[in-house]
Parts: sequence; structure tokens; C-alpha cells
Amino acid sequence: DQQVKQNSPSLSVQEGRISILNCDYTNSMFDYFLWYKKYPAEGPTFLISISSIKDKNEDGRFTVFLNKSAKHLSLHIVPSQPGDSAVYFCAASDQTSYDKVIFGPGTSLSVIP
Amino acid sequence: DVKVTQSSRYLVKRTGEKVFLECVQDMDHENMFWYRQDPGLGLRLIYFSYDVKMKEKGDIPEGYSVSREKKERFSLILESASTNQTSMYLCASRPRGLSYEQYFGPGTRLTVT
Repeated sequence: DQQVKQNSPSLSVQEGRISILNCDYTNSMFDYFLWYKKYPAEGPTFLISISSIKDKNEDGRFTVFLNKSAKHLSLHIVPSQPGDSAVYFCAASDQTSYDKVIFGPGTSLSVIP
Repeated sequence: DVKVTQSSRYLVKRTGEKVFLECVQDMDHENMFWYRQDPGLGLRLIYFSYDVKMKEKGDIPEGYSVSREKKERFSLILESASTNQTSMYLCASRPRGLSYEQYFGPGTRLTVT
């Protein structure tokens, strides 16, 4: 059973609009969450993270929101650009199993010019 | 600039062959990881290592082994390749300490026929 879920396999957004990528988790022990971005033929690269003591973290056009009670987080990209087209992986971990980062299945984002 | 390299981008092997996937990082990181990426399943941890000659099983270690004789190099070994090991294999590294961010290589697309 997947502990980190990304229920939308794909998403299409117009350039300049907001992209919202969602992620749900089941393990209440998770206390740190990350988003990675992956282009074809490249390895994933770290994008942004959030600790469970926060409910929001912002880095330029990227903002991650965490709702612990709902076990839900989301990544907002504003404004979306064609170069943002990639697969986005949500990931989670906890301090008791620090090296075991659990990844979701990914959401493929297409930003249409 | 951080760098994780993997020995091959594409590999085709026959069932029953012994397969070596090599990963090298130049960042002096203590921790190294092997994942496989499959559609709809995200990245799943096979093995990781937190020091030379040390290894820990991940979530799907069956059919795989690893070797870490030098700090910068982490090898994944398929003792007898099977068709269900056809996948994208990703190596990653991370420094010791409270950082969950991992640095990934470009991946090796392995096909077992």
C-alpha cells in the first residue's frame, strides 16, 4: 500500500496560470516533505521542502502548503512557465527512518504556451 | 557543482546474466542510495549505504546486492537478471547530517530480455 499518493498522473496548465500539484500521505509519523522535479533523461532534482512544524514554505514561484490534519500537501507554481513541464515527485520521511525517503508515483505537468 | 554519474545510460541484458550498475559521486557524501523507478510506482528504495562497506536494505532488496568499497562509488548488482528487473535505475547521494535532500544521477535504463 502506497504511503505517499499523487492521485493525478498528469496535469495540463496554460502558461502564466497557476499549477497545483497535490499529494496525500498515510503515515502520521512523516515529519518532513520534499518535492523533486524530473525532466526526461535526467535524474530528479530537489525543488522545495517543508517540515511538519510549518504549514507553508515559499521559494520564488514555488510554494508548498502542508495540512497535517488532512495529511495533505500541495505544490503551487505561479506563474507557470513552459520550462516547468516535467514530472513532479512528492516525497516524505520521518526521523525514525531518516534514510528511507518514500516517494509518490509522480505527476506529469505540461505547461502549454 | 555536484555530480553523480552512472556508468551507462542504457543497458540491454539477457535473462540470467549478472549485471553491474556503477555509480560515482564527487561530493564526498557519506550516504548513497539505489532506487528503481517504474510507472505508477514512483521511486522505490532498493539499498542504501551510509559508509564504506556498510549497507542497509531498502524496501525492495530481493534479487539485488550492493557493494561499497570506496566512499565515492556504490555498485548495484543483479546476480541473475530477470525480466521483472527491467526498469530505470537511479543512484543518489546525500551528505551525513540533517538534510533529506538527495542528489541524483541521470539514471540507467535497463532492459532484460
